[in-house]
Amino acid sequence: GQQVMQIPQYQHVQEGEDFTTYCNSSTTLSNIQWYKQRPGGHPVFLIQLVKSGEVKKQKRLTFQFGEAKKNSSLHITATQTTDVGTYFCAGPAQGGSEKLVFGKGTKLTVNP
Amino acid sequence: DGGITQSPKYLFRKEGQNVTLSCEQNLNHDAMYWYRQDPGQGLRLIYYSQIVNDFQKGDIAEGYSVSREKKESFPLTVTSAQKNPTAFYLCASSRKTGNYGYTFGSGTRLTVV
Repeated sequence: GQQVMQIPQYQHVQEGEDFTTYCNSSTTLSNIQWYKQRPGGHPVFLIQLVKSGEVKKQKRLTFQFGEAKKNSSLHITATQTTDVGTYFCAGPAQGGSEKLVFGKGTKLTVNP
Repeated sequence: DGGITQSPKYLFRKEGQNVTLSCEQNLNHDAMYWYRQDPGQGLRLIYYSQIVNDFQKGDIAEGYSVSREKKESFPLTVTSAQKNPTAFYLCASSRKTGNYGYTFGSGTRLTVV
């Protein structure tokens, strides 16, 4: 079945360092979404990318959608302690858009 | 403000008992979903519903049941048939299925004692 893989599973950085998480789908996606879940919290929608090669920025966060629409990345510049949490990517399930398939997430910890 | 409300936040259940988790949204969203989250497992889909009085099984539906009698409500029952029910349960909703971002509730942490 369709799979959405994320790497790395864990990432520990010093405050001020950059961070990148990668998302790869086994199938072409019509769109890709990113979510953030703070420790003890619930996932919060960050952004949706739709177009091939699309790049979107939210302050220190940069999101990219690959040309083949099978991969995506989230890059955080100069991490802060407020960036701590788990970042999930998700894409519509193959064969229809009834549901999203989530990656297992990348857990980011930031050492102050 | 519109949102999605899950209750209770924490729930303790004895083995062999059924328990129902509440999920209510006032966002006028058509689609609603139930996910289970275990450490290191990400989000696994239990059930989802696109319209009232209709729902579909997700990847791990065994031992769970749902209903969708109203657009605003999508309760999840964890039955005694669920062998490992201790987990964090998340309800979500979206405007349409798959192509819009999900809004998640704050979750219910279920512990079987």
